[in-house]
Amino acid sequence: KAGVTQTPRYLIKTRGQQVTLSCSPISGHRSVSWYQQTPGQGLQFLFEYFSETQRNKGNFPGRFSGRQFSNSRSEMNVSTLELGDSALYLCASSPRFLDTKDYGYTFGSGTRLTVV
Amino acid sequence: DAKTTQPPSMDCAEGRAANLPCNHSTISGNEYVYWYRQIHSQGPQYIIHGLKNNETNEMASLIITEDRKSSTLILPHATLRDTAVYYCIVRVDSMGSARQLTFGSGTQLTVLP
Repeated sequence: KAGVTQTPRYLIKTRGQQVTLSCSPISGHRSVSWYQQTPGQGLQFLFEYFSETQRNKGNFPGRFSGRQFSNSRSEMNVSTLELGDSALYLCASSPRFLDTKDYGYTFGSGTRLTVV
Repeated sequence: DAKTTQPPSMDCAEGRAANLPCNHSTISGNEYVYWYRQIHSQGPQYIIHGLKNNETNEMASLIITEDRKSSTLILPHATLRDTAVYYCIVRVDSMGSARQLTFGSGTQLTVLP
């Protein structure tokens, strides 16, 4: 079956612009999480969505936002881009939100954002 | 979630077993041990997880000490494609708990030909 699809794979934006990244989870997966990966900070949790609602949020400024659609696809938006926002943005999907047994997240290949 | 400690890097000869240690001395009774790996420029890949019993799947084995303060991921016959950063994560896994993964620095495993 198809994996987690993230688009675009690469993106170059100018400081001050805004950007929208897209994530299509595995079919049947209803939970989508977003992570930021930078050389200095490593992998950091941004937020998680389930049933079109944000369930958890990491420690990022309000410039970072997201949403989830009824088909479970998710987008994240970063407004007023800063040079430090240059990173690999990863999306992960999982089958369920409230579950006593975690089956493990499936990650996409990410979107490499470069802010110049 | 409990903090983990892993060696920053390890080498392993191709075809040999790779044993990756992880220390999680402050782990709580309801926290699971998870292992993910990240091959360069790809997203992390789930490998295995366990609570207190040893676990094995098609990718690896997970050995958790009796006191649960440390664990070892074993790749029985390492190949060059196993070269990656391996992350050990501990987290609660219960109804309603926050589900984010807290990644540390991981171990860079290099499999040598």
